Amino acid sequence: DVKVTQSSRYLVKRTGEKVFLECVQDMDHENMFWYRQDPGLGLRLIYFSYDVKMKEKGDIPEGYSVSREKKERFSLILESASTNQTSMYLCASSAPETGNTIYFGEGSWLTVV
Amino acid sequence: AQSVSQHNHHVILSEAASLELGCNYSYGGTVNLFWYVQYPGQHLQLLLKYFSGDPLVKGIKGFEAEFIKSKFSFNLRKPSVQWSDTAEYFCAVNDWNSGNTPLVFGKGTRLSVIA
Repeated sequence: DVKVTQSSRYLVKRTGEKVFLECVQDMDHENMFWYRQDPGLGLRLIYFSYDVKMKEKGDIPEGYSVSREKKERFSLILESASTNQTSMYLCASSAPETGNTIYFGEGSWLTVV
Repeated sequence: AQSVSQHNHHVILSEAASLELGCNYSYGGTVNLFWYVQYPGQHLQLLLKYFSGDPLVKGIKGFEAEFIKSKFSFNLRKPSVQWSDTAEYFCAVNDWNSGNTPLVFGKGTRLSVIA
């Protein structure tokens, strides 16, 4: 089974803090994604990456950045957290040989106070 | 750009009732279609997917979905729901021709099954 692991399930941060959300997948997938999930809004794509050291903006990249230094790891960075970034963050991975089925991690609940 | 519409925000059914959740997408090309489910407190799981072939797709836990190309629809069905089907359901689509495009999700439908 594909395993996508998000290092933190629950975080509470203060406004203005720098926040790192880490994600690791164990299936050598080329593609990795960060979504945020909000009630009534579904899942919205923040950033994605097709390969090491490359990244593409999704639908809502403002206030976020990402890093992919190794194939298995994709980090989401909030440079200066704000209260409107309180949300559930979902990491996912996929590969062409799996039919591009996306596999999700368990999510990270971030509260910014 | 692709978009996905899920018509029902919240559906409440009694156990043993039949379920149909609507999903329409806007994209003129060939697509891959997915339904994901999120049970309370759990991560998103794939229910079923359609890439090509038979437009009636069967997934896990007795769910099925039918791709109707002329209607740009991929509705999810189950003949008889159980209390354990209480969850949020998401329809998603991506471009079949491109190996790497991210999924575009609908806003989700919350299903509550009551005894």
